[in-house]
Amino acid sequence: GIQVEQSPPDLILQEGANSTLRCNFSDSVNNLQWFHQNPWGQLINLFYIPSGTKQNGRLSATTVATERYSLLYISSSQTTDSGVYFCAVELRTSYDKVIFGPGTSLSVIP
Amino acid sequence: DGGITQSPKYLFRKEGQNVTLSCEQNLNHDAMYWYRQDPGQGLRLIYYSQIVNDFQKGDIAEGYSVSREKKESFPLTVTSAQKNPTAFYLCASVTGGGLYGYTFGSGTRLTVV
Repeated sequence: GIQVEQSPPDLILQEGANSTLRCNFSDSVNNLQWFHQNPWGQLINLFYIPSGTKQNGRLSATTVATERYSLLYISSSQTTDSGVYFCAVELRTSYDKVIFGPGTSLSVIP
Repeated sequence: DGGITQSPKYLFRKEGQNVTLSCEQNLNHDAMYWYRQDPGQGLRLIYYSQIVNDFQKGDIAEGYSVSREKKESFPLTVTSAQKNPTAFYLCASVTGGGLYGYTFGSGTRLTVV
């Protein structure tokens, strides 16, 4: 089956630093989504990005579907950015199967 | 406001007990999902339902059961057959399947005592 990998697994940043998180997938996918799980466990949609580039404030994402990867950029990081970032991909099978990557755990320190 | 409500936030279970986790959504979503998350791990699919009165096993369904009698509700029962139930449980819903509009509840943390 398809493999979804994320790197790095863990990241510690000083407040104000920039970072790039990567999601690789081993096969063609229909769609891709980035989520942020805050320290209390709530998952929030960040970007629905099957291809191209999107930006929302300090965050932006790029998906290159033909090369099977997506990048999430965080600029001028803040302590509220801490948590786990997941990418998820959607496969077209007997149902619209969603597979989550293992996540990148980000800690932003003051 | 529309959303997904999971209850309770924290749940303690004694050995050998069945417990039921609630998931209710008022988003008019067709599909609902249950995931299990262990510390430092990703999300694993337990069960999903695309329409009322129909549901399918996910990757780790053993020891769990569900029902989907109403569109808004998808409760998960953790049975005594689940040998290691301590985990964080997340419910999600979406219209028509797929990722667009995928929405999560705030989760239930289950601990065996």
